[in-house]
Amino acid sequence: AQSVAQPEDQVNVAEGNPLTVKCTYSVSGNPYLFWYVQYPNRGLQFLLKYITGDNLVKGSYGFEAEFNKSQTSFHLKKPSALVSDSALYFCAVRDRTKAAGNKLTFGGGTRVLVKP
Amino acid sequence: EAQVTQNPRYLITVTGKKLTVTCSQNMNHEYMSWYRQDPGLGLRQIYYSMNVEVTDKGDVPEGYKVSRKEKRNFPLILESPSPNQTSLYFCASSLTLAGYETQYFGPGTRLLVL
Repeated sequence: AQSVAQPEDQVNVAEGNPLTVKCTYSVSGNPYLFWYVQYPNRGLQFLLKYITGDNLVKGSYGFEAEFNKSQTSFHLKKPSALVSDSALYFCAVRDRTKAAGNKLTFGGGTRVLVKP
Repeated sequence: EAQVTQNPRYLITVTGKKLTVTCSQNMNHEYMSWYRQDPGLGLRQIYYSMNVEVTDKGDVPEGYKVSRKEKRNFPLILESPSPNQTSLYFCASSLTLAGYETQYFGPGTRLLVL
């Protein structure tokens, strides 16, 4: 069975400092990996995804993530956090293996609080 | 504007009273899905549909029904709601079922079952 772990329930960071949100995954085959962000009272918005190719993926709002196959990780990063980045972030994985049925599995979410 | 809409956004009901949450997308997407979001558990898939008249169970289908009679609509039906179905529900769609496709989410429906 596939799974996603986001080990931190909350990340606090000062505005202007680097932001990292951790994600590790487990799949039987190779993964498609996604990051979504949820602002208060809103649905999830797509940030970025890894399909294949370059391990460093760049996405919306200055976010990027690095796929690390050996560590089965896909950490989300932003060099300089903004107060407006305060939100709930979800990592998600799909197993490319056909038998997995294209199921999308989400992590439990990490709340990011950026203080001025 | 390309979007996924859900109605109602907020709903308070009582145990056993049937309810339907509607979901509609205007992007001609083939794939639609329902999730519930509970604190610390992330999003869990309830049902999904690969196209009209094709639906299948997700991880937590018990107590829910769906139908896909038209491509744009994918209603979620709770025949006899119970308090453990109190949750935040999201509908999502993507162009195809391909694993790399991005899903687009509706604004959510917050349900309280008393």
